[in-house]
Amino acid sequence: RKEVEQDPGPFNVPEGATVAFNCTYSNSASQSFFWYRQDCRKEPKLLMSVYSSGNEDGRFTAQLNRASQYISLLIRDSKLSDSATYLCVVIGYSSASKIIFGSGTRLSIRP
Amino acid sequence: GAVVSQHPSWVICKSGTSVKIECRSLDFQATTMFWYRQFPKQSLMLMATSNEGSKATYEQGVEKDKFLINHASLTLSTLTVTSAHPEDSSFYICSARDPLGPGLAGGPTGETQYFGPGTRLLVL
Repeated sequence: RKEVEQDPGPFNVPEGATVAFNCTYSNSASQSFFWYRQDCRKEPKLLMSVYSSGNEDGRFTAQLNRASQYISLLIRDSKLSDSATYLCVVIGYSSASKIIFGSGTRLSIRP
Repeated sequence: GAVVSQHPSWVICKSGTSVKIECRSLDFQATTMFWYRQFPKQSLMLMATSNEGSKATYEQGVEKDKFLINHASLTLSTLTVTSAHPEDSSFYICSARDPLGPGLAGGPTGETQYFGPGTRLLVL
């Protein structure tokens, strides 16, 4: 089983739709979780951190479910500019722990 | 946020030559930098962790004699692809943690990764 798993997609949704992705992780000792966005041929950029209590940033909402060991990203009122690959990232229990990337979920927003 | 640069941004070379890629943290000191490789339509794969002043830690399956990493200062790490072959053609990305950077709720400081813009390597 992979340490971090994501549905590769692609998710193809119309502009304005709400879309959600999940990411599961296998190590229950994992401490920190992030969502990164990667545009084609570019480096990943931090989208948001994922807190135990959940967090929201504009149209984006991230949730963490420790019991089921998954994190989620919800995008509301999707825009064309949201088209990208979304990577979930999991880090272990200390700042020296390995950083594990999911394989990414491709999202395509159509007009 | 913090800035990490990479140079060169792209390189084309003949098979058998060596290519050096630089990764610099421009406005913070990074005791730890990471090197990733990404093939088309695949996720980033961690190659090695570069620690300032000590030997790099390589991931399983990554040849340390082929991918030489040097982290001579707190702001510079280099990756040298020795005797490059076409199968080494890839997108190489470095990242760095700012140890004094913002922490996260419930977690230690310095967890946010700042990525360089990447280097595209094409070996002919």
